[in-house]
Amino acid sequence: GAVVSQHPSWVICKSGTSVKIECRSLDFQATTMFWYRQFPKQSLMLMATSNEGSKATYEQGVEKDKFLINHASLTLSTLTVTSAHPEDSSFYICSARESAASGANVLTFGAGSRLTVL
Amino acid sequence: DAKTTQPPSMDCAEGRAANLPCNHSTISGNEYVYWYRQIHSQGPQYIIHGLKNNETNEMASLIITEDRKSSTLILPHATLRDTAVYYCIVRVLRGSTLGRLYFGRGTQLTVWP
Repeated sequence: GAVVSQHPSWVICKSGTSVKIECRSLDFQATTMFWYRQFPKQSLMLMATSNEGSKATYEQGVEKDKFLINHASLTLSTLTVTSAHPEDSSFYICSARESAASGANVLTFGAGSRLTVL
Repeated sequence: DAKTTQPPSMDCAEGRAANLPCNHSTISGNEYVYWYRQIHSQGPQYIIHGLKNNETNEMASLIITEDRKSSTLILPHATLRDTAVYYCIVRVLRGSTLGRLYFGRGTQLTVWP
């Protein structure tokens, strides 16, 4: 089946630094990928929709200058947390839908990336 | 999108069937019901989806009431590895928003030996 890979699986950084998280579709092409954030004991919150070759679409309340999204190819989307602060510590998860798929709207999720900002 | 209501937690004995309910009383005629689950500290995993007919796959069965206002996910023989948070999501298929899923709080299913 479809596989989505995230890297790194966990990262620790100092406050004020930027962190990049990669999301790759390993065996399919994805014109659209989605980024979620999950705080402890809470549900997933959709942050943004990443569109290959165009600007990302951010959900209300998500700062686009804080969370930079680049979707430069059909198999790779990156999320950069700029000037990270402790409150950005969270579990970041990406998902992708196969470009050729139709109707089912089934998303494949990555294993997630845990960010800890000191 | 229609809102869903799920019990916050459920228990099930290993080997028994786990029946997870979901209410979606405001569902529209063109909205599908999806189920995902999330094992602790992992990404969500797709389980099953349906529109109005009952569905079955290798993981589970989905029973949707005739009025489509509720559904039940059935894990026929629960194992310890089925312990997870189960999310019921209803979503219309529109091209511009295709793929955007909004997760509620889900049901924490605990399978005990």
